[in-house]
Amino acid sequence: ETGVTQSPTHLIKTRGQQVTLRCSSQSGHNTVSWYQQALGQGPQFIFQYYREEENGRGNFPPRFSGLQFPNYSSELNVNALELDDSALYLCASSLGLANTGELFFGEGSRLTVL
Amino acid sequence: RKEVEQDPGPFNVPEGATVAFNCTYSNSASQSFFWYRQDCRKEPKLLMSVYSSGNEDGRFTAQLNRASQYISLLIRDSKLSDSATYLCVVNIYGNNRLAFGKGNQVVVIP
Repeated sequence: ETGVTQSPTHLIKTRGQQVTLRCSSQSGHNTVSWYQQALGQGPQFIFQYYREEENGRGNFPPRFSGLQFPNYSSELNVNALELDDSALYLCASSLGLANTGELFFGEGSRLTVL
Repeated sequence: RKEVEQDPGPFNVPEGATVAFNCTYSNSASQSFFWYRQDCRKEPKLLMSVYSSGNEDGRFTAQLNRASQYISLLIRDSKLSDSATYLCVVNIYGNNRLAFGKGNQVVVIP
């Protein structure tokens, strides 16, 4: 167990809807990163939050947005859902911005868009 | 061109055999390198870091070739429990913002 929890674990939405995914980071970790993993692909970096500020963003459109709260938990919001947004969304926590490469992932939220 | 390229396989390996695979990365300024393991329908977990001098962790050996921009992983004496997808990971962006390859799927056969 990594201590990173995500909710919901599974959800189904239809095109055009909006979704909010939640993540609680491991105790003491102040950095949260979000990744999208489509079937048969590796995780793709969406964005990272450090001390409540966005600290870097991958190649995702603005309809993907996020927040980090004072307790370092985080949300990922996706507006105007498209079929290609169907994927496993992974949250990962880490301590600070060191280049250790060690991210602690939650088990993910599996989103299906119909 | 993708940031990290891997041949997904699958790699069907007899129990006890050795399997090796590698990946290539596109950004020569990449700072650090790792292998992650992902079991079926589970989250990725760090397997090991990869250093230019090469490093071992038990039956696992990782190697980095900066000149050719590729990273390798070798598994000796394969166990059934080694069946998983092995993700090549590059710290391209810094600050632990990682770029993942598609993964090499390894299936160890009794």
